[in-house]
Amino acid sequence: DAMVIQNPRYQVTQFGKPVTLSCSQTLNHNVMYWYQQKSSQAPKLLFHYYDKDFNNEADTPDNFQSRRPNTSFCFLDIRSPGLGDAAMYLCATSREGPGITDTQYFGPGTRLTVL
Amino acid sequence: TQLLEQSPQFLSIQEGENLTVYCNSSSVFSSLQWYRQEPGEGPVLLVTVVTGGEVKKLKRLTFQFGDARKDSSLHITAAQPGDTGLYLCAGARQTGANNLFFGTGTRLTVIP
Repeated sequence: DAMVIQNPRYQVTQFGKPVTLSCSQTLNHNVMYWYQQKSSQAPKLLFHYYDKDFNNEADTPDNFQSRRPNTSFCFLDIRSPGLGDAAMYLCATSREGPGITDTQYFGPGTRLTVL
Repeated sequence: TQLLEQSPQFLSIQEGENLTVYCNSSSVFSSLQWYRQEPGEGPVLLVTVVTGGEVKKLKRLTFQFGDARKDSSLHITAAQPGDTGLYLCAGARQTGANNLFFGTGTRLTVIP
């Protein structure tokens, strides 16, 4: 059974048109992450939520926002997508949080295309 | 600055051959994870190693965490086409936010 679910799997948007990507989890993990992965590169962390606490990476553009309305769901909002934002977006979860080591479980990703 | 370096970056071998992928750092990690990622999919966790010197086996895959917890290796015995994919190591630090530092990745192709 899928534990980290991402919808849609493929998303096409137009330059400058806002888009929202969705992630849900059945693991009841308290930490959720969003990564951006470009072709043949390692995933790059954008931000993460530890419960309701939002933690933004220093180099994440303001164009990227996130919402976590409850434990199970987390959204990635791209306010004005540019061509350079075309990538695979990965959601991940882990059981614990800051200062504690734990394993991250990834969803299948959403492939975003910007026209 | 790349915290974790993987080598080789690309590897193409014949079915049945053995191979080793290395993940090296000058930093100490409290744990290290190995993932395999297929095109168009998210990374799938293979193993987590926590203790320095730890060795874990997963069928034909053998993972080792360095004694100083700065490096790790993945050895595949008798590679099969199904092993093809992007192999990523990722280290977790003990302090600060629970971020994973990903390695540069090794793209493995096993030719039938």
